[in-house]
Amino acid sequence: GAVVSQHPSRVICKSGTSVKIECRSLDFQATTMFWYRQFPKQSLMLMATSNEGSKATYEQGVEKDKFLINHASLTLSTLTVTSAHPEDSSFYICSASLGINQPQHFGDGTRLSIL
Amino acid sequence: AQSVTQLGSHVSVSEGALVLLRCNYSSSVPPYLFWYVQYPNQGLQLLLKYTSAATLVKGINGFEAEFKKSETSFHLTKPSAHMSDAAEYFCAVTRHAGNMLTFGGGTRLMVKP
Repeated sequence: GAVVSQHPSRVICKSGTSVKIECRSLDFQATTMFWYRQFPKQSLMLMATSNEGSKATYEQGVEKDKFLINHASLTLSTLTVTSAHPEDSSFYICSASLGINQPQHFGDGTRLSIL
Repeated sequence: AQSVTQLGSHVSVSEGALVLLRCNYSSSVPPYLFWYVQYPNQGLQLLLKYTSAATLVKGINGFEAEFKKSETSFHLTKPSAHMSDAAEYFCAVTRHAGNMLTFGGGTRLMVKP
């Protein structure tokens, strides 16, 4: 149980394009979803927290207009990287949780490469 | 504020040897502590968690961790390493408000045949 599916697993696109990443909880309703960014050989850095039906809460230093997060249902959250540039290349990981003090269940990540 | 420090970014052990990955935390409130494992190009898988119940926590794949408040530690151990244990391991602590995780820097475990 508690499976989180993240799609796509890998995307390569040209600079200036926008990329959407989906995060789905397949067998549970996720009150809260989290988006992380991971640079090579580094730890996960929380980008934002999203609650279903509410605006996402972004961490300090994360541009909300650059990284658009939508959490329209209890099973789906999306992260859109707008006008992507090479410095946005990274591994993006989502997680979903049933609620406060419940463990986070992670997706398999999306490797984004901007040329 | 909460933080996690993982001592040793790389740990190498021989197959069959004891695995010890170190994690120390800082928290102004009783913490919830977690260990996750990450295989290449994948997300994180929960190994085990401490949520203020038993101080010795057993997880999947033969791993366990002991919460020691006096040492502010939550080290991960496994009696006998297997080749399939080679991966990146992250210790994490929840923040004061809810379940937002703060991760340590990670430890890459290498297992030699």
